[in-house]
Amino acid sequence: DTGVSQDPRHKITKRGQNVTFRCDPISEHNRLYWYRQTLGQGPEFLTYFQNEAQLEKSRLLSDRFSAERPKGSFSTLEIQRTEQGDSAMYLCASSTGPEAFFGQGTRLTVV
Amino acid sequence: AQSVAQPEDQVNVAEGNPLTVKCTYSVSGNPYLFWYVQYPNRGLQFLLKYITGDNLVKGSYGFEAEFNKSQTSFHLKKPSALVSDSALYFCAVRDAPRLRLTGGGNKLTFGTGTQLKVEL
Repeated sequence: DTGVSQDPRHKITKRGQNVTFRCDPISEHNRLYWYRQTLGQGPEFLTYFQNEAQLEKSRLLSDRFSAERPKGSFSTLEIQRTEQGDSAMYLCASSTGPEAFFGQGTRLTVV
Repeated sequence: AQSVAQPEDQVNVAEGNPLTVKCTYSVSGNPYLFWYVQYPNRGLQFLLKYITGDNLVKGSYGFEAEFNKSQTSFHLKKPSALVSDSALYFCAVRDAPRLRLTGGGNKLTFGTGTQLKVEL
């Protein structure tokens, strides 16, 4: 499968713990995006990388959230001191052209 | 700021009948418009896009969409619905890129989604 890969698919964590998600984009896609989707809502933009440079961050991305894309390949999204409100599906997407291709997401449940 | 409205939470259609899922948008410049489909516990799958040119664009699985600039709409259509089309459909918009060097304007703004239910 040469699509966008996300790991893990599911994560259950206790409130206050840190979690890290990984995204492997489609090979040679220079743009990478993170979105968050909650039940009954469309995906909401979190952040965007072009190669290794983080070019845009949403106001939704609080100080507890950090994303990296070392060497312009895979990306990680870390959430520190998780809260129940962080429970959501975290989607990664990549692109070279106008349309973005999404991974299957990581579903985070904070208990 | 860019925004998308999908006025219908759910659309019900009989198999074999035509379907329409509505979408209206707002952007400051020229729009890039997209439709995605999401099946349960899956990521979003790209269906089609409008960038420029013909107002009627064709996409995957027999879907098409019509761009109407005066009505700021981009409705998704299919001439004959299938039960397997039942899923959650999202319309999305972004501004056409104006800042090529900085990559500005790349984020997609999604609607809240429309659940399509196709019944026998």
